[in-house]
Amino acid sequence: QSVLTQPPSVSAAPGQKVTISCSGSSSNIGNNYVSWYQQLPGTAPKLLIYDNDKRPSGISDRFSGSKSGTSATLGITGLQTGDEADYHCGTWDSGLSAGWVFGGGTKLTVL
Amino acid sequence: QVQLVQSGSELKEPGASVRISCKASGYSVTTYAMNWVRQAPGQGLEWMGWLNTNIENPTYGQGFTGRFVFSLDSSVSTTYLQINSLKAEDTAVYYCARGVRFSSGSYSVDYWGQGTLVTVSS
Repeated sequence: QSVLTQPPSVSAAPGQKVTISCSGSSSNIGNNYVSWYQQLPGTAPKLLIYDNDKRPSGISDRFSGSKSGTSATLGITGLQTGDEADYHCGTWDSGLSAGWVFGGGTKLTVL
Repeated sequence: QVQLVQSGSELKEPGASVRISCKASGYSVTTYAMNWVRQAPGQGLEWMGWLNTNIENPTYGQGFTGRFVFSLDSSVSTTYLQINSLKAEDTAVYYCARGVRFSSGSYSVDYWGQGTLVTVSS
């Protein structure tokens, strides 16, 4: 059972927009920055978004992030078949067992 | 460019030990923390803890104390994860991932190794 809650799957057609939610609490998302990772099939995760809404160099502006209260959202516009992957949110949890926490991951299918 | 290259897959019997290596290149291994992350088959990512590579001080996440050991050999820019007394439920892909502190003060992980599959089976 992951500390952060993500929907198991989302789907959309090529060219469309999709959003993936990540819900937490005041000890994690509510008081810390959120990162998002893309994991293509059979590969390691790759940093997509950090500090809630910043993209590392080389990441397409089709990917965006936002945060409000204890929830964060990843948005992907202009969907491509190559975007099919698992997407994971992550953040620091300042609770009793302080440490980095992840969501369970969301499988994106581009129909 | 930054690269983290991990050792190959391992097949171990229950009760045995395994040591996974993670060789860093493109930066000085002692200037960034190293995290370890587990991904069980078909599951999400689970943070195991991190190694302060500057002072070689490990911090283990909840559920990863006792049998898990993080270490560093800075002379070869390599960090290690050792798992003792292996159990079937340790079967997973293990990733090393570099920890980074951004200018905002936030902490994240940026670069990841390719992953090492450990299978525990008799």
